Amino acid sequence: AQSVAQPEDQVNVAEGNPLTVKCTYSVSGNPYLFWYVQYPNRGLQFLLKYITGDNLVKGSYGFEAEFNKSQTSFHLKKPSALVSDSALYFCAVRVMDTGRRALTFGSGTRLQVQP
Amino acid sequence: DVKVTQSSRYLVKRTGEKVFLECVQDMDHENMFWYRQDPGLGLRLIYFSYDVKMKEKGDIPEGYSVSREKKERFSLILESASTNQTSMYLCASRTGGVQETQYFGPGTRLLVL
Repeated sequence: AQSVAQPEDQVNVAEGNPLTVKCTYSVSGNPYLFWYVQYPNRGLQFLLKYITGDNLVKGSYGFEAEFNKSQTSFHLKKPSALVSDSALYFCAVRVMDTGRRALTFGSGTRLQVQP
Repeated sequence: DVKVTQSSRYLVKRTGEKVFLECVQDMDHENMFWYRQDPGLGLRLIYFSYDVKMKEKGDIPEGYSVSREKKERFSLILESASTNQTSMYLCASRTGGVQETQYFGPGTRLLVL
């Protein structure tokens, strides 16, 4: 079985400060890891993914994430937060070696950036 | 640009009604998915399809069925809607390729009274 944990329901950060949204995963096999963002009343938008290679992945809107195999983590980061980054963020995992074709999602973390 | 569209943004139905949610993608993707999103629970997979007329149950298929008669269209059916099916429903599609990115539609917010 595969699972994803996002331990924080909400993260608050001041505009201009760095932000981190945490994600840990549990899989048997090699993971593919994803981050998505959801703005109010919208579908999910893809931010970035880790498939293989460099552990630091850069994505849309200045976001990046670091794959850490030993800690089974894939935390989302941004050096300087914007008010417009306020949204709901989802981490997701898929294991290539299994028959499961769909992503498994975490419960989501609401990011609130204060001006 | 990948486009996934859903037939309705908001729906209000009564208990016991049969409900159809439609999803269409324009990128010739083999795989299509239906999720429901509930606060604190994230996204949970209802059903997915990996080819025309092919489907597999996800994690919470009870009370739902699906239909995929054409590659671009994947329908979710609530045979007899119940209040506990009030939720946000999200459709997604993906190629079978290595890049593995799922693209989502805008969602349908369903209220069952």
